[in-house]
Amino acid sequence: EIVLTQSPATLSLSPGERATLSCRASQSVSSYLAWYQQKPGQAPRLLIYDASNRATGIPARFSGSGSGTDFTLTISSLEPEDFAVYYCQQRSNWPPGTFGQGTKLEIK
Amino acid sequence: QVQLVESGGGVVQPGGSLRLSCAASGFTFSSYGMHWVRQAPGKGLEWVAFIRYDGSNKYYADSVKGRFTISRDNSKNTLYLQMNSLRAEDTAVYYCAKDQGPSPYGSGQFDYWGQGTLVTVSS
Repeated sequence: EIVLTQSPATLSLSPGERATLSCRASQSVSSYLAWYQQKPGQAPRLLIYDASNRATGIPARFSGSGSGTDFTLTISSLEPEDFAVYYCQQRSNWPPGTFGQGTKLEIK
Repeated sequence: QVQLVESGGGVVQPGGSLRLSCAASGFTFSSYGMHWVRQAPGKGLEWVAFIRYDGSNKYYADSVKGRFTISRDNSKNTLYLQMNSLRAEDTAVYYCAKDQGPSPYGSGQFDYWGQGTLVTVSS
């Protein structure tokens, strides 16, 4: 089973700053990686699919990059509503589609 | 707009059974594969099961194989999860999620999620 490791576990930043979240796979997943945002008490929301494609309705400040084993989610300028938990998920050897453990983005 | 509404959660004793439902609207339900994904309290996300758009293929996580059964009724736009032999470690919020497609075998990506229903397994 492919293991996804996200770093850091917690990221403390201020609104307007740039956020960089990392996801590393235990083996290559090609570009078959997605990012989801989850706010407290809410369902996850698809942000990025296939490493770099924004999902419907996702603002341009969210971008994804990477391939193989190393991936990055970048939020160019943080808005107050962006503080949440972010999960990466691979579908290279789906099923199962394994998730990372999450990165909590909190207000500094 | 796409809406997924889960129901059927609750408190059940270990070894018991529960059936979850997910009512779908806002898209052609019969054209998409569907998933169940769960989240234990304070924990991360775990994929549970998938069913192909026509119900002809089903996949399960090893942790639930042989105990859970996914099904669908395309005439009612409804997805189900029958959960038997429940264990304490099955305690979680269960989300239904739409497969992004377009593969009939599922893409393994989830583009819309319901709000979830809580299942608590406790004596």
